[in-house]
Amino acid sequence: SQQGEEDPQALSIQEGENATMNCSYKTSINNLQWYRQNSGRGLVHLILIRSNEREKHSGRLRVTLDTSKKSSSLLITASRAADTASYFCATVDRGSTLGRLYFGRGTQLTVWP
Amino acid sequence: NAGVTQTPKFRVLKTGQSMTLLCAQDMNHEYMYWYRQDPGMGLRLIHYSVGEGTTAKGEVPDGYNVSRLKKQNFLLGLESAAPSQTSVYFCASSARDPTYNEQFFGPGTRLTVL
Repeated sequence: SQQGEEDPQALSIQEGENATMNCSYKTSINNLQWYRQNSGRGLVHLILIRSNEREKHSGRLRVTLDTSKKSSSLLITASRAADTASYFCATVDRGSTLGRLYFGRGTQLTVWP
Repeated sequence: NAGVTQTPKFRVLKTGQSMTLLCAQDMNHEYMYWYRQDPGMGLRLIHYSVGEGTTAKGEVPDGYNVSRLKKQNFLLGLESAAPSQTSVYFCASSARDPTYNEQFFGPGTRLTVL
């Protein structure tokens, strides 16, 4: 099954630095979404970018999408210790009428105070 | 507005026992999903429902059954639990239109099968 793949698997940075995570996928998509999961908690939706969009912002988050390379990146600027979490990309296939999401395995981000 | 809730939060079963996980959402969403999350595997879809009275198989449906008798509830059943079903289970829901298909997740149920 198609699945996003995040890179790197783990990322460790200091507060105030920027964090960049990448996601690659295999087929044509309707949209790509990023989710955050704090330890022991459920996933929380961060941002959705549609296949005809190239960049999207939400607060300190910036997401880019390159459909020609089948890749996306999530940038968190001025990171905080509270940003420590796992981050997952997920895709919806083009033409999907069921809204099924295909998740990657995640990037574990650790932000040190 | 509680969003998506799951019960129980934790459960320990012995091999062969059965149990039902309950998911409830108060957002009037049409679509509901059950996932399992295992270390290093991301989330995998078990079953899903596109409306009251309908269910369908996902990627890893074997050993599980589901029912959606009411729009707000989605039940996941394990008839004869196996150690391979030790996992964290997440329920999610979303509105109908997949173009705007943000999914809302519950807090998870941690299941251990001995």
